[in-house]
Amino acid sequence: QVQLQESGPGLVKPSETLSLTCTVSGGSMRSHYWIWIRQPPGKGLEWIGFIHYSGSTHYNPSLRSRVTMSIDTSKNQFSLRLTSVTAADTAVYYCARPVGVDNRYAFEIWGRGTMVTVSS
Amino acid sequence: QSALTQPPSASGSPGQSVTISCTGTSSDVGAYNHVSWYQQSPGKAPKLLIYEVSERPSGVPDRFSGSKSGNTASLTVSGLQAEDEADYFCSSYAGSNNYVFGSGTKVTVL
Repeated sequence: QVQLQESGPGLVKPSETLSLTCTVSGGSMRSHYWIWIRQPPGKGLEWIGFIHYSGSTHYNPSLRSRVTMSIDTSKNQFSLRLTSVTAADTAVYYCARPVGVDNRYAFEIWGRGTMVTVSS
Repeated sequence: QSALTQPPSASGSPGQSVTISCTGTSSDVGAYNHVSWYQQSPGKAPKLLIYEVSERPSGVPDRFSGSKSGNTASLTVSGLQAEDEADYFCSSYAGSNNYVFGSGTKVTVL
């Protein structure tokens, strides 16, 4: 079955750029939306944005000025870049895939998550 | 957009039922049937329990059910089991390709 795995640095300095990659295995990326969600320690979930297989994107308005997502279907990967990070960006970052093809509303398959700490 | 409102905690004895509410606005929960519920155990990724208000993905027991009335969605866990002790989050589409999550409810099995 489809599995997702996040990868990237666990520590990022303030004002620098956070970069994460999600590798998709066991299935095709075709026709799906691909999601990034984060969870600060001890807090709730925050939707960061999505990228479609076609490359179209949409980002959380509160993060839009700092977020870029990209997709590389030849490598079965999609990526997240978050610029000018602060301590408030410290969180577990999850990649996820919604239920069904062309669905973007409910997130069925999740990676295990990767903790990113912003600190000097 | 603001987080959806959930009670911080809920509890029940094994075999009982517990219902968790998720209150939004006429711009999110009240406007769309794209309401989902997730279960999260400590240190784990969330697990999808309910989508489109009341649909269950394959493999989710029918002890979990969802409903919606107006701006409030609800998740009911029937026949509580020890393994149901976890955090539960709701989520809703909020229009214009935006999504909002609930504040989370910790369910304790007494």
